[in-house]
Amino acid sequence: EVQLLESGGGLVQPGGSLRLSCAASGFIFANYDVTWVRQAPGKGLEWVSGISSSVAGTHHADSVKGRFTISRDNSKNTVYLQMDSLRAEDTALYYCARNFWYYDLWGRGTLVTVSS
Amino acid sequence: DIVMTQSPDSLPVSLGERATINCKSSQSVLYSSNNKNYLAWYQHKPGQPPKLLIYWASIRESGVPDRFNGSGAGTDFTLTISSLQTEDVAVYYCQQYYETPRTFGQGTKLEIK
Repeated sequence: EVQLLESGGGLVQPGGSLRLSCAASGFIFANYDVTWVRQAPGKGLEWVSGISSSVAGTHHADSVKGRFTISRDNSKNTVYLQMDSLRAEDTALYYCARNFWYYDLWGRGTLVTVSS
Repeated sequence: DIVMTQSPDSLPVSLGERATINCKSSQSVLYSSNNKNYLAWYQHKPGQPPKLLIYWASIRESGVPDRFNGSGAGTDFTLTISSLQTEDVAVYYCQQYYETPRTFGQGTKLEIK
């Protein structure tokens, strides 16, 4: 089955760290860029970070630049989002999405809650 | 950054009636060298991941019912649902993929009148 599965979310205190994972199956993962998109409670969709298929290019939203790092391991069909110096405003449901310009395949998301 | 603005924020429509959602970008998302508009539409239902409906502004994703249609070019785009069904209740987002950051509209909540 073609799918993406996120994991690694949870409750963390402000200033803490989490690493999210996005595991792909059912397609040639190395051929695709991957993106993280989040949705804060009661808010809309926000693009967070993206990584190219070859790892040559990574991009981050200004709101997370310097705190979040996206990476991938094509041998494990997995993309990671290392999140440091977390803030309350990072509380959200984090989705990963397969990126062929547009996002044609999404995971079900993993919830990150930043609270003391 | 390209700002995507949708209207309306909320749209009540009777079953079987037409629903029209507008999306305006702060700059053109038409790439002149290939004449493609770098715009997509997504449907988002509670408890589910977003679902791609339309890409390149007017191409329907495989499996999407033909009552969903995308149109427009440059900076002004429209998603039309020709005959609203109960399963269409959702929040709809437009998104530009012309440049990074890949910005979304604020969303339009479609509901049954």
